[in-house]
Amino acid sequence: GAGVSQSPSNKVTEKGKDVELRCDPISGHTALYWYRQSLGQGLEFLIYFQGNSAPDKSGLPSDRFSAERTGGSVSTLTIQRTQQEDSAVYLCASSPSPSGGAGQFFGPGTRLTVL
Amino acid sequence: AQSVTQLGSHVSVSEGALVLLRCNYSSSVPPYLFWYVQYPNQGLQLLLKYTTGATLVKGINGFEAEFKKSETSFHLTKPSAHMSDAAEYFCAVTLGDTGRRALTFGSGTRLQVQP
Repeated sequence: GAGVSQSPSNKVTEKGKDVELRCDPISGHTALYWYRQSLGQGLEFLIYFQGNSAPDKSGLPSDRFSAERTGGSVSTLTIQRTQQEDSAVYLCASSPSPSGGAGQFFGPGTRLTVL
Repeated sequence: AQSVTQLGSHVSVSEGALVLLRCNYSSSVPPYLFWYVQYPNQGLQLLLKYTTGATLVKGINGFEAEFKKSETSFHLTKPSAHMSDAAEYFCAVTLGDTGRRALTFGSGTRLQVQP
């Protein structure tokens, strides 16, 4: 079946602009995660959605970052007033189980470059 | 809180030699443990996982890992390396139903396979 898809695959923006990154999880997966991968910080958790529960936003680095998940499926990560330190690969993952015991399945990522 | 330490940011082996990638974790409760592989410019692929039960787990591409609670380790092994195994490998932990469900990753180990 289809895996996790993300769009765009690459995004180049100017400092101060807003960007939206999209994630389509595997059909039927109730849990959805966003992570960020950068050279300096490695792989970092950003935000977690599970069903209709309130999201776990504990990993968001600042209030410029926000995310929503509509209809329990597609998710959008928004970064407002982008800064150069936001440059990274943003990875989305989904999981069929709330506990994560089945593992998380990752998309190919969106490479964000802030000039 | 949980953390993961991967010893050796770079490991080089000859084709046909044993692969051993080390992972130690710290967790306040029984963890769920994972190994992921990342090929250049791709997302993360789940290699194998341990949640409960048998402590020796087998994954894809001939890899296996053993959960050793007394040593807080989850080392990844493969008896005979192939050129196609060259990639970056990440060990990760979650607390499953007992706590934080987002993955906490190690810093990664880049595996080189020499002909």
